[in-house]
Amino acid sequence: SQELEQSPQSLIVQEGKNLTINCTSSKTLYGLYWYKQKYGEGLIFLMMLQKGGEEKSHEKITAKLDEKKQQSSLHITASQPSHAGIYLCGADMDSNYQLIWGAGTKLIIKP
Amino acid sequence: DTGVSQNPRHKITKRGQNVTFRCDPISEHNRLYWYRQTLGQGPEFLTYFQNEAQLEKSRLLSDRFSAERPKGSFSTLEIQRTEQGDSAMYLCASSLTWTSGTDTQYFGPGTRLTVL
Repeated sequence: SQELEQSPQSLIVQEGKNLTINCTSSKTLYGLYWYKQKYGEGLIFLMMLQKGGEEKSHEKITAKLDEKKQQSSLHITASQPSHAGIYLCGADMDSNYQLIWGAGTKLIIKP
Repeated sequence: DTGVSQNPRHKITKRGQNVTFRCDPISEHNRLYWYRQTLGQGPEFLTYFQNEAQLEKSRLLSDRFSAERPKGSFSTLEIQRTEQGDSAMYLCASSLTWTSGTDTQYFGPGTRLTVL
């Protein structure tokens, strides 16, 4: 969707290195959701951010929502092969719970 | 495991045939969503239900697509007179939403449709 841009489109990272994926909106977000998808499978919920400046962490993954609530980043520390997959951001822009999705970032971890 | 389930996981059909997919949401969830996803893209919203009421269906891709959730539990998505362009992954998600302002959706594994 042009309303929600993810960057980069793909990323190859050496195992153990850190990485960041970005999700940028043209509108203020009511909620921002991060999911992970393995090829050919469903989406796995990672984190949801709602407040400007909010930051959440789970294991080695940290997600942040900027103060203006128009950009979010997903940061992975000390990447592992299990982190490989497609990361998708979904945004609630109208407070009606219908999510708009980015095109995804494909993450490959090199051993 | 009591997550969202979808059947079948894969469906191969010939152009012009009708297909029906089933989604069983997490049992206490009141909302159910259908999405379509093509390769290299994020999910594309199709329709959703709150309990048995279909609250949004304007995004269904054409009048060949229809969805039901007759008793507010499982849902079916039907595509009539399939076309090759219908080939995609069809995803179902469910959530428990009232008026809290958040709606975390939990996805099933998807049904991959191939139209020959």
